[in-house]
Amino acid sequence: EPEVTQTPSHQVTQMGQEVILRCVPISNHLYFYWYRQILGQKVEFLVSFYNNEISEKSEIFDDQFSVERPDGSNFTLKIRSTKLEDSAMYFCASSRQGMSNQPQHFGDGTRLSIL
Amino acid sequence: QKEVEQDPGPLSVPEGAIVSLNCTYSNSAFQYFMWYRQYSRKGPELLMYTYSSGNKEDGRFTAQVDKSSKYISLFIRDSQPSDSATYLCAMRGSGANSKLTFGKGITLSVRP
Repeated sequence: EPEVTQTPSHQVTQMGQEVILRCVPISNHLYFYWYRQILGQKVEFLVSFYNNEISEKSEIFDDQFSVERPDGSNFTLKIRSTKLEDSAMYFCASSRQGMSNQPQHFGDGTRLSIL
Repeated sequence: QKEVEQDPGPLSVPEGAIVSLNCTYSNSAFQYFMWYRQYSRKGPELLMYTYSSGNKEDGRFTAQVDKSSKYISLFIRDSQPSDSATYLCAMRGSGANSKLTFGKGITLSVRP
């Protein structure tokens, strides 16, 4: 069964450094998402992306964050200058369409640890 | 009031038990309701996906939605040790607003 793949599984970065998290969505999916889960807290929406532009973003997704689809298969989340509070699991998801009758499928996440 | 609230856990049951997991929500705009299962060190895996009020059954799993009460449930029949995981409820509105709003999750342990 097709799946969303994320790399790396664990990223350790010094505070203030830039980090790029990578995702390969399911191949025929058109809508892409990033969520994060701080330890012990809910999974929170960060951003959705379609047709090479952001569809919606949460208040968490400030100027330090950016997303890109650099080629036909990858979808990336960049954090420009990491803070301690960015430590979390970051999940990528994709869906075939953005309409609500198409479910979102998640990858296994990247654990980001900021030192 | 939080948008989505999920019964706190953890929950431990013997193998073969019927499990009931519940979430309440406050946003009337939610139209689609999901249950995800998350194993340790894995991403959320879609279990059930329902629209509006009613029941949906898939094998040992039944999802129930009561929009009038803003209440959703997941029932697991004949629970197995392999069902031990964290269960997340999630919901979304209709139309172009596609983000998911999650409950906090409940950790279920099924004892052999």
